[in-house]
Amino acid sequence: GEDVEQSLFLSVREGDSSVINCTYTDSSSTYLYWYKQEPGAGLQLLTYIFSNMDMKQDQRLTVLLNKKDKHLSLRIADTQTGDSAIYFCAEMEGGSYIPTFGRGTSLIVHP
Amino acid sequence: GAGVSQSPSNKVTEKGKDVELRCDPISGHTALYWYRQRLGQGLEFLIYFQGNSAPDKSGLPSDRFSAERTGESVSTLTIQRTQQEDSAVYLCASSRDRGNQPQHFGDGTRLSIL
Repeated sequence: GEDVEQSLFLSVREGDSSVINCTYTDSSSTYLYWYKQEPGAGLQLLTYIFSNMDMKQDQRLTVLLNKKDKHLSLRIADTQTGDSAIYFCAEMEGGSYIPTFGRGTSLIVHP
Repeated sequence: GAGVSQSPSNKVTEKGKDVELRCDPISGHTALYWYRQRLGQGLEFLIYFQGNSAPDKSGLPSDRFSAERTGESVSTLTIQRTQQEDSAVYLCASSRDRGNQPQHFGDGTRLSIL
């Protein structure tokens, strides 16, 4: 079945860039998502990308997709303490309606 | 409402009791999902409702779990004869329709079984 892998932890200094990586196995993945989860809250959609795109930028967020390697990354520029959260990568096949989520990467931003 | 609302936000109960969790989706969202999130884990799909179609129950872990939804409104997830392994955060999400529409999540119900 489909699998989505993420590293569990990332620690960065405030003001630096953060890069959170994700790999997936389903070659028919059409939609790829990044969600943010703050403590005690549900998941908040940050951005998403279609598989026919290589890159998407939205303010401080840049998503890069390497479809050949099935690798997705989320770059957060000028990381702030408010960015500390768990970031989930998810993929969904075209025609499906149930995304597959990774286990989440806990981003820790320290001064 | 403005967002997906779940209640209660926290529930502590004794093993063997039944619990009922509630989800109010965003108005106009025809698709509704229930997920389970165990500590330090990703999201585990439980059940999916789309309009008046038969729900996709393929993720329900046992027959102790059931869910209902009336039309395109409120949904309830019921867990009968709770076990300690049921302790988790139960998240509800809704979206405009099936397919690629992004899901909007509630803040979840944190269920603790003693």
